[in-house]
Amino acid sequence: SQQGEEDPQALSIQEGENATMNCSYKTSINNLQWYRQNSGRGLVHLILIRSNEREKHSGRLRVTLDTSKKSSSLLITASRAADTASYFCATDFTGGSQGNLIFGKGTKLSVKP
Amino acid sequence: GAGVSQTPSNKVTEKGKYVELRCDPISGHTALYWYRQSLGQGPEFLIYFQGTGAADDSGLPNDRFFAVRPEGSVSTLKIQRTERGDSAVYLCASSFTGGRNTEAFFGQGTRLTVV
Repeated sequence: SQQGEEDPQALSIQEGENATMNCSYKTSINNLQWYRQNSGRGLVHLILIRSNEREKHSGRLRVTLDTSKKSSSLLITASRAADTASYFCATDFTGGSQGNLIFGKGTKLSVKP
Repeated sequence: GAGVSQTPSNKVTEKGKYVELRCDPISGHTALYWYRQSLGQGPEFLIYFQGTGAADDSGLPNDRFFAVRPEGSVSTLKIQRTERGDSAVYLCASSFTGGRNTEAFFGQGTRLTVV
């Protein structure tokens, strides 16, 4: 399978703490994207990082990409109870069509108030 | 509408029946995607449309699955002779252009249960 892998599978933290989720993938990529999903339904796009970028910020989110290790991390700073959700990385892999994203199994984040 | 709309939100059908799942993309979005998500898994790619044509249908699992987008807007995913293993949430997404590095907007999905 070309599916990426996130770790940890589940993460439980207190409000105010930082949450770090990791993603590893197998093939060369054009970009890597992080999505959030509440209650197993619609996905919300969080951030896209291109293969030639190493770090990107958006509000409380910080994403890093290491193409030599085929890995990425998502950091959520100063977490809130509302950040409780599942987080997925998805890769736009070289050789695939632009619509064919490969998703990992996700990290289930629980932020306790 | 403001977002991607999928109907129905839930569908229960008997094994062997035919089902249609509908996706209304964001107005003006030329690219449309279908994914399937089983419990505890990440979404899996099914098919990608650019306008009216299927640019990549490599994710369709077998010939029981078919999707159309006749006017380049609304898309219908059709599943024949449904099996219990088809039970999943079917997600649709659209994006403004066909280029890479373009954000895709997802609908809330249709939860299909085959009994």
